[in-house]
Amino acid sequence: AQKITQTQPGMFVQEKEAVTLDCTYDTSDPSYGLFWYKQPSSGEMIFLIYQGSYDQQNATEGRYSLNFQKARKSANLVISASQLGDSAMYFCPDPAEGQNFVFGPGTRLSVLP
Amino acid sequence: AAGVIQSPRHLIKEKRETATLKCYPIPRHDTVYWYQQGPGQDPQFLISFYEKMQSDKGSIPDRFSAQQFSDYHSELNMSSLELGDSALYFCASSLRGMNTEAFFGQGTRLTVV
Repeated sequence: AQKITQTQPGMFVQEKEAVTLDCTYDTSDPSYGLFWYKQPSSGEMIFLIYQGSYDQQNATEGRYSLNFQKARKSANLVISASQLGDSAMYFCPDPAEGQNFVFGPGTRLSVLP
Repeated sequence: AAGVIQSPRHLIKEKRETATLKCYPIPRHDTVYWYQQGPGQDPQFLISFYEKMQSDKGSIPDRFSAQQFSDYHSELNMSSLELGDSALYFCASSLRGMNTEAFFGQGTRLTVV
């Protein structure tokens, strides 16, 4: 099982700038996956990006990318060219057993105009 | 592409009443998860099903029960509702495996009055 930590309860970023949301984990499993989800104020939980432990390259999905540093056990989410619609809660859940995600308090991102 | 469908989107019930929430997973997904997210709280894993059998159990109260049917849709039954059951209830689905993403429905917002 993993243990995941998001140390930033809240972040602010100026529109059009890039922002990095931190996620560190602790696992002894050789094979694992890291996920990021976004929850806007409307409430839905939106899958953003996935990084596998054996992936050679950092995952990217449009404006989202993962700064995956395996040795440091971190999988930080980078959002480039922030938009007002990026304002939301961001979760990096601990997959624990399968996808029975254990969600932490997440990071609230506020994009400023 | 088809997403996870939850119904109803909103539900208002009185204390001590019962409620049934429905979830229709993405076609060919074999695993369904239920989460509860109270106001201002992190999502909490309740229960999951794999191939119509209960797979894992989280913090689901004894007053709640769930099942997955032959067509893979799932229902969360909630009895003797309490004010504290007011929350956003998410269903998610995925293909079985450690490193596959789970896709969430838009949630059912239950209000107990």
